[in-house]
Amino acid sequence: DQQVKQNSPSLSVQEGRISILNCDYTNSMFDYFLWYKKYPAEGPTFLISISSIKDKNEDGRFTVFLNKSAKHLSLHIVPSQPGDSAVYFCAASGRGTGNTGKLIFGQGTTLQVKP
Amino acid sequence: GAGVSQSPSNKVTEKGKDVELRCDPISGHTALYWYRQSLGQGLEFLIYFQGNSAPDKSGLPSDRFSAERTGGSVSTLTIQRTQQEDSAVYLCASSSQTQETQYFGPGTRLLVL
Repeated sequence: DQQVKQNSPSLSVQEGRISILNCDYTNSMFDYFLWYKKYPAEGPTFLISISSIKDKNEDGRFTVFLNKSAKHLSLHIVPSQPGDSAVYFCAASGRGTGNTGKLIFGQGTTLQVKP
Repeated sequence: GAGVSQSPSNKVTEKGKDVELRCDPISGHTALYWYRQSLGQGLEFLIYFQGNSAPDKSGLPSDRFSAERTGGSVSTLTIQRTQQEDSAVYLCASSSQTQETQYFGPGTRLLVL
C-alpha cells in the first residue's frame, strides 16, 4: 500500500521555465511534508518542507504548495536551471506525540532541465 | 560541519554471508534513522533510534536484520545470511531531535551475488 505517490516518473523542462513536481498521499495522519533532491551516488539532500498548518512555503526558487483536502502537494521550481536535474523525492511524516518522525517516501520523479 | 558519514561506500558479498554497515551521524544529533532504497523504488524506513529510548524496529524486513547504536552516536546495521533481494542502497539519516529535518549520508551500495 503506497501511502505517498509520485505518479510521474520523469519530467523534462527547458531552462528558465517552471518545473512542477507533484505528490499525493493517502494517510490523513501525515502532518509534515518534505522534498528531497538526490543526485546519482549521493544521499538525498533536504530541499524544503511544509507543515500541515500552512498551504504554502517558499525558499528562493523553490515553493511547496499543500492542498490538504485533496491530499496533494507540489514543488515548483522557477526558474529551472540545468543544475536542478536530479531525482526529487516527496516524503511525509506524522509529528504528533509518540511519532518517531520516520519518513514515508514517494518513488521519486526524475527532473531533467535542458539548456 | 561534518555531515552524516557511512562506510563502506560499496559492498559486494556472496549470498549467505553476513555484512555490517556503519553510520556516523552529525555530531549532537540525537535521532538516527536507517532507510534502504531498492532499484527503482523510493526509500523504505528500516529502524529509528532516539537517545536511550527503545528503538522503533517496525521497518526491518526480517529477523536477519538488526541494528544497534552504541553510546548514542555511531550505529551499525547488520544483515545476516544475506539474500539477493537484500541488494540495495542503505541510507542513514540523523536529526537534531525526533521529528526534525533529517539529513542523509551518502549511503552504502550493497550487492549480494
